[in-house]
Amino acid sequence: DVKVTQSSRYLVKRTGEKVFLECVQDMDHENMFWYRQDPGLGLRLIYFSYDVKMKEKGDIPEGYSVSREKKERFSLILESASTNQTSMYLCASSPGANSPLHFGNGTRLTVT
Amino acid sequence: ILNVEQSPQSLHVQEGDSTNFTCSFPSSNFYALHWYRWETAKSPEALFVMTLNGDEKKKGRISATLNTKEGYSYLYIKGSQPEDSATYLCAFNDYKLSFGAGTTVTVRA
Repeated sequence: DVKVTQSSRYLVKRTGEKVFLECVQDMDHENMFWYRQDPGLGLRLIYFSYDVKMKEKGDIPEGYSVSREKKERFSLILESASTNQTSMYLCASSPGANSPLHFGNGTRLTVT
Repeated sequence: ILNVEQSPQSLHVQEGDSTNFTCSFPSSNFYALHWYRWETAKSPEALFVMTLNGDEKKKGRISATLNTKEGYSYLYIKGSQPEDSATYLCAFNDYKLSFGAGTTVTVRA
């Protein structure tokens, strides 16, 4: 079974802090994604990557950046956390175009 | 932001009844349409990935159809059971994968 591991289940950070959310997949998948989930809004795409060192903006990239130095790891970075970034963050991976996503368990981030 | 809409937002179904709901998406630049089931306290799980106009997929009591020309997909649940209670998400792939807000199904025993 594919395993997508997010480093933290719950995280509490202060406004202005730099925050790293880590995601690792163990199935050599090409594609990786970061989404945030807010009530009533479904999953919104922040950034995605279709190859190592490649990154592309999703629908809501503002306030975020990403890093993909190795194929298995896709990191989401909040340069200066703000309260409106309090959310559930989900990482996902897939082997290629038109393949289903495999999701991690999510990180619930609270920014105070 | 891509406009992927799901309706209704929520629905309640009596156990044993069948139901269906809709995902609408832009009809241009179509790569694929995904359906996922998301149960409380779990991660979303893939149900179907559909790529061709007219595609029909089935998994147990759940099935889906796809119309890429008019930009909609239906998900059907036949003989609903309490374990079908979940939020069902569709996602449209036009190079990036964007989700709708979901339809939350509650099956009453």
